Amino acid sequence: DAMVIQNPRYQVTQFGKPVTLSCSQTLNHNVMYWYQQKSSQAPKLLFHYYDKDFNNEADTPDNFQSRRPNTSFCFLDIRSPGLGDAAMYLCATSIYTGTGWETQYFGPGTRLLVL
Amino acid sequence: GQNIDQPTEMTATEGAIVQINCTYQTSGFNGLFWYQQHAGEAPTFLSYNVLDGLEEKGRFSSFLSRSKGYSYLLLKELQMKDSASYLCAVRDGDYKLSFGAGTTVTVRA
Repeated sequence: DAMVIQNPRYQVTQFGKPVTLSCSQTLNHNVMYWYQQKSSQAPKLLFHYYDKDFNNEADTPDNFQSRRPNTSFCFLDIRSPGLGDAAMYLCATSIYTGTGWETQYFGPGTRLLVL
Repeated sequence: GQNIDQPTEMTATEGAIVQINCTYQTSGFNGLFWYQQHAGEAPTFLSYNVLDGLEEKGRFSSFLSRSKGYSYLLLKELQMKDSASYLCAVRDGDYKLSFGAGTTVTVRA
């Protein structure tokens, strides 16, 4: 089945130790998004790729970076994780069809714990 | 900025009906989405409204009034598996979404 896959599902890292989260999709969607979601809060968009074009949200900390080496894969790099970065990180994709933009499809998320 | 409000929590009994309201003030409007999110899992798409009126999909219905900046999600014949968070999201431009904080629905036997 076509889907959005995130690895790992759970990630534990140490304060200040770089960590990379990965997302892959078999939907062939041209837009990929990274969201941060803390407990009982709305998903917060960090950045997105429209094809190869990277779009950063204005309030996304510099500590967060992203790479999209090809259509299928997208990575979230946290250069120096702090305790406040512990959260669920959601990857999503979407595509424009002939009649408009489809809904976003989400991966299962990676829960990050910072010790 | 974007402002999307929905109640924090709601409780209902199995078999009952629950209505989750969402009000929004956004810089633009290009559709409103409802997602269901079980604890620790990803949001899954439930419904989409871009024109005023009611969209029905099985036990779930969603209503939109663009002039009032208002939507609701109606869950009928509640089942225990409906216990989850329900997220209201507005597409204010081409494809980006702004989410509300979600409404946690607890279904009791």
